[in-house]
Amino acid sequence: QKEVEQNSGPLSVPEGAIASLNCTYSDRGSQSFFWYRQYSGKSPELIMSIYSNGDKEDGRFTAQLNKASQYVSLLIRDSQPSDSATYLCAVSRDSNYQLIWGAGTKLIIKP
Amino acid sequence: DTAVSQTPKYLVTQMGNDKSIKCEQNLGHDTMYWYKQDSKKFLKIMFSYNNKELIINETVPNRFSPKSPDKAHLNLHINSLELGDSAVYFCASSPQGTVYGYTFGSGTRLTVV
Repeated sequence: QKEVEQNSGPLSVPEGAIASLNCTYSDRGSQSFFWYRQYSGKSPELIMSIYSNGDKEDGRFTAQLNKASQYVSLLIRDSQPSDSATYLCAVSRDSNYQLIWGAGTKLIIKP
Repeated sequence: DTAVSQTPKYLVTQMGNDKSIKCEQNLGHDTMYWYKQDSKKFLKIMFSYNNKELIINETVPNRFSPKSPDKAHLNLHINSLELGDSAVYFCASSPQGTVYGYTFGSGTRLTVV
């Protein structure tokens, strides 16, 4: 079992719809959770972090964390073609100096 | 002002050569990392330094050697380059620990021919 799992996609969503990206993790001691966006040929960029159960909203992005079920998700409202990218989920324990990465989900927003 | 800068951005070299990639961060972060991203886009940690001390040394060939002269710099030297070393190498930095996530450099695309 991989430590952090994501559906590789591609996930195709029409413009203006809600894109839903999911991530599951195996380490119950995980404390910090991150979503990164990576455009083709570019470096990963941090877009959301979440540390406690529930929802965290930032503009069109909402991160959702459920530690009991060991999943974290990212919702993108009013999806735009510029949201087309690979989204990487990363997880860590606070005492560790290392993030554990998922393989990423490729998101395509169709105009 | 670039927060995490890597040089060079592109590197094309022949098998058997030795090359270096440099990384500098001006964020005041304590921890720096080297990652390798292969053609399938999976990010694999190679090394991590915290205040010039090596704290993560994953299973990579010993042809790869990191050096951190101070906490703002982390360089990667690769000896006897092989075809399989072709990938994008990312430098990243973070405040101590992982609580706040990482900031990545723009990457170095290494092609070994």
